[in-house]
Amino acid sequence: LAKTTQPISMDSYEGQEVNITCSHNNIATNDYITWYQQFPSQGPRFIIQGYKTKVTNEVASLFIPADRKSSTLSLPRVSLSDTAVYYCLVGAHLGTGGFKTIFGAGTRLFVKA
Amino acid sequence: NAGVTQTPKFRVLKTGQSMTLLCAQDMNHEYMYWYRQDPGMGLRLIHYSVGEGTTAKGEVPDGYNVSRLKKQNFLLGLESAAPSQTSVYFCASSYDAGLSTGELFFGEGSRLTVL
Repeated sequence: LAKTTQPISMDSYEGQEVNITCSHNNIATNDYITWYQQFPSQGPRFIIQGYKTKVTNEVASLFIPADRKSSTLSLPRVSLSDTAVYYCLVGAHLGTGGFKTIFGAGTRLFVKA
Repeated sequence: NAGVTQTPKFRVLKTGQSMTLLCAQDMNHEYMYWYRQDPGMGLRLIHYSVGEGTTAKGEVPDGYNVSRLKKQNFLLGLESAAPSQTSVYFCASSYDAGLSTGELFFGEGSRLTVL
């Protein structure tokens, strides 16, 4: 069963690029990689999802190497409002085989002025 | 458009009591999920549903039951609460995204304390 490991915390300054890496050595062929952001007293919010290579949207990029055993969430030019906990998720819908989601324990990002 | 709404937001129970958490979504999503979040452990899937009238076990289903009688509602029940069930519970919903987990839309959470 896939297990996801991510750093407990990271500090950054406003305007910097932040890269958070998640390790998932036992990722299965069907698994997708997703990142969520969570603020205190709120539910997680979807940031980005990918299967392989690079995915980019208006808020972040996701880099996935060929072996898919890790992934890196890249946040360009962070601001104070990006201070939050970021979760890596590995999982898939397996049809009759069910639904699987393995969340990491989260990375607490603190952005300083 | 409220998204995913959970009630109640806070509840304190005594060991052995029962209760039901209600989740409602207004996005016409097929899939709904219940997670629990504990410090240092991320979110763990309790039960999920892929459509009205269907339910399935997730990673940590013991001590919980669920029902999905209407497409927009997903109920999580604790028949005999235990202190180990003290947690923050999150409901989520998603559209059918094929093989991927899709985008999960989460509610704001329900904090449950069992004494």
